[in-house]
Amino acid sequence: DAKTTQPPSMDCAEGRAANLPCNHSTISGNEYVYWYRQIHSQGPQYIIHGLKNNETNEMASLIITEDRKSSTLILPHATLRDTAVYYCTDTMNNFNKFYFGSGTKLNVKP
Amino acid sequence: DAGVIQSPRHEVTEMGQEVTLRCKPISGHNSLFWYRQTMMRGLELLIYFNNNVPIDDSGMPEDRFSAKMPNASFSTLKIQPSEPRDSAVYFCASSLGAGTQEGPQETQYFGPGTRLLVL
Repeated sequence: DAKTTQPPSMDCAEGRAANLPCNHSTISGNEYVYWYRQIHSQGPQYIIHGLKNNETNEMASLIITEDRKSSTLILPHATLRDTAVYYCTDTMNNFNKFYFGSGTKLNVKP
Repeated sequence: DAGVIQSPRHEVTEMGQEVTLRCKPISGHNSLFWYRQTMMRGLELLIYFNNNVPIDDSGMPEDRFSAKMPNASFSTLKIQPSEPRDSAVYFCASSLGAGTQEGPQETQYFGPGTRLLVL
């Protein structure tokens, strides 16, 4: 059963911020939220993870709500190369078993 | 540094044949994962190893599937006999180690995948 829910697809204009939401209402207190993305025909690629504080790295920012039931991945200046399927994952109380769900297909348009 | 290496990248075989997929994890990584991806079921974890020992194989679909990790730098996923419904992309991933319940799960690094077509 799905433990994370994401919109199936989103569009974003090149150069604009892409905000990808995820609901993880069943996440437990010690589970981190991980985001991966999969560019067509490639293996999933790690983006960022967090527990309860907002996080930022060279690829993206992660905003986690105070109740930890949802999060938003932000790509501040989307490029055409960011077109991919983005997965918000949790581990379903098993700290090595990521559940990838259906993900969000982000289409970055010129 | 080399990432996760998988071979072959593409495999076409006939139903009933044995298929062996190979994976070389990132050097120094102690955990290895095999995933299968299909349009219908998405990305599914089949089995994972920690320090060469299978920890959880609950995702392995049936007895036709087997996985081994004879040493820290090599793993195989075998399907015998193969069936058309096994057609999928098979990914191998590795991580530094097993996560703990007190800390973050370990980031997994994926290989390029093996595209398997069983006719």
